[in-house]
Amino acid sequence: QVQLQESGPGLVQPSQTLSLTCTFSGDSITSGGYYWGWIRQPPGKGLEWIGYIYQSGYTEYNPSLKSRVTISIDTSKNQFSVELYSVTAADTAVYYCARAPTIFGVSTWGQGTLVTVSS
Amino acid sequence: DIQMTQSPSTLSASVGDRVTITCRASQSISTSLAWYQQKPGRAPKLLIDRASALGRGVPSRFSGSGSGTEFTLTISSLQPDDFATYYCQQYNRLWAFGQGTKVDIQ
Repeated sequence: QVQLQESGPGLVQPSQTLSLTCTFSGDSITSGGYYWGWIRQPPGKGLEWIGYIYQSGYTEYNPSLKSRVTISIDTSKNQFSVELYSVTAADTAVYYCARAPTIFGVSTWGQGTLVTVSS
Repeated sequence: DIQMTQSPSTLSASVGDRVTITCRASQSISTSLAWYQQKPGRAPKLLIDRASALGRGVPSRFSGSGSGTEFTLTISSLQPDDFATYYCQQYNRLWAFGQGTKVDIQ
């Protein structure tokens, strides 16, 4: 059974960088045909797509976040990561990592991790 | 950017009711649309993919239809386990989610 698990700090200072890693288990991240994505959800609000990466390293980002985000992949560790720069309180959210076949919806989700931006 | 608009934002219904949620895309997305169910404190769960394909293990009371810019999610007979928030998502060009529809008890 494939699984995704987010890890990283639960508290980040304003103006600093939020960094999270997602570990994939149950198969190889290079098995092909999938986007590896990040989605967030502020408390009490809806889902917001952050971006995704393909195993080749090809990335796409939400235009509203593109100037502040980088997604990378480490195939040797079966992991992918997100960095969000210059965070503010508005970036406080549950962050989910996700896997989706390139022509389908998201079929595999991590459990989510709450990141709070506060001093 | 493709914008997704769901209606209504909140829906009050009773067990046994037929429920319909609408999702509109700002431009044509063919059938590149998924529906998700989310319960408090949980990750979303895929219900419907490619606009009308039932997800694995999803009860047959859920159905999806539409193409182009207008889509619907229908629950034929609402069950106690169905009170949740529902989201649509397009993946035709990048990804984008609707704002969600909360289905609560009337």
